[in-house]
Amino acid sequence: AQSVTQPDIHITVSEGASLELRCNYSYGATPYLFWYVQSPGQGLQLLLKYFSGDTLVQGIKGFEAEFKRSQSSFNLRKPSVHWSDAAEYFCAVGAGGSYIPTFGRGTSLIVHP
Amino acid sequence: DTEVTQTPKHLVMGMTNKKSLKCEQHMGHRAMYWYKQKAKKPPELMFVYSYEKLSINESVPSRFSPECPNSSLLNLHLHALQPEDSALYLCASSPATGGYSGANVLTFGAGSRLTVL
Repeated sequence: AQSVTQPDIHITVSEGASLELRCNYSYGATPYLFWYVQSPGQGLQLLLKYFSGDTLVQGIKGFEAEFKRSQSSFNLRKPSVHWSDAAEYFCAVGAGGSYIPTFGRGTSLIVHP
Repeated sequence: DTEVTQTPKHLVMGMTNKKSLKCEQHMGHRAMYWYKQKAKKPPELMFVYSYEKLSINESVPSRFSPECPNSSLLNLHLHALQPEDSALYLCASSPATGGYSGANVLTFGAGSRLTVL
């Protein structure tokens, strides 16, 4: 079965600084990979996804992620963080028979002015 | 229309009540999902409907009863819940389930916040 690890529970950055959120997965082949964002009390919004092809994926809100097979990672990046980016970020992996995404525990992003 | 609509947004119920959560999508998606999310935790899959048939039940207690009346609607019937069932219940939909790319891209609703007293 697939699994996904987000090593950082909290990340604090200053507004305008760059951001990288880490995600590692465990699966024998290349899974489908997703990043979702959740604002307090809200549902999850898809930021970006990777199925195959170009390993650098562009998403909404200025986010990008890079798939690295050798490191089993799919890290999320943003060059300049805005205060409105403060939220919970979930990495998810879809693999196996149904490919239904399994979510990591989430990383809480705190943005200081 | 690219939304999943959930009602009610908030629900408070006693342990002997019967209530229902509702979910609707008009994106032509053929898979619909219920997730449960506790505070500061990731969503946990409860049920999956594929083409209006229950395809996955993640060993959820029988006090939760899902229903998919048609391809656009998904209900979650609640009966005799416990306080530990208090959580955010998220509905999601996707084009389908399975291994082709794009099938399992989930679109989530805003959730129904359930409090069991």
